[in-house]
Amino acid sequence: AQSVTQPDIHITVSEGASLELRCNYSYGATPYLFWYVQSPGQGLQLLLKYFSGDTLVQGIKGFEAEFKRSQSSFNLRKPSVHWSDAAEYFCAVRSSGDKLTFGTGTRLAVRP
Amino acid sequence: GAVVSQHPSWVICKSGTSVKIECRSLDFQATTMFWYRQFPKQSLMLMATSNEGSKATYEQGVEKDKFLINHASLTLSTLTVTSAHPEDSSFYICSARWQGPDTQYFGPGTRLTVL
Repeated sequence: AQSVTQPDIHITVSEGASLELRCNYSYGATPYLFWYVQSPGQGLQLLLKYFSGDTLVQGIKGFEAEFKRSQSSFNLRKPSVHWSDAAEYFCAVRSSGDKLTFGTGTRLAVRP
Repeated sequence: GAVVSQHPSWVICKSGTSVKIECRSLDFQATTMFWYRQFPKQSLMLMATSNEGSKATYEQGVEKDKFLINHASLTLSTLTVTSAHPEDSSFYICSARWQGPDTQYFGPGTRLTVL
């Protein structure tokens, strides 16, 4: 069965610093992978997705993620974090029937 | 575009009563909607997949008689929590699929508290 692991429950970075959020997946076939961000009072917003092709994926708000099959990872990165990036971030993998399996999330706090 | 709304955003009810949560796609038609449940500081767990005009497909372990899902139109799906108990207290989130099988748009969620 598919699963997603986000090892970091909570991360704090200083504004302007770089960010990397980790995601590891378990899936038998070629995975369809997603990163979502959840802010209070708002629905999950899709940051980026990987289906195939170039393993470095660019998303919205300056985020990017790299798919590494050998490591079963799909880590999210941003070179310079803004205070508005503070939120909960979820990695997800698509399984059969368009279902999404989510990781437990990483809460990002940004120090001024 | 691709906005999904939920109503209400939060609700408090007494144990034993039923609560209905609405999920609407505001600017697109969604043949498929999904209902998730999120416990505090935990991930989203898929409860059921709702297709317009047909019965919902429930995930293993989800009581279909307790969580009634109706997808009456291409823009509206409802989740009714029947005979609610305190353990049903949770954050319920819906999503709607649009523009391909791999794109889901999420509602802001509904916080249910059962006293």
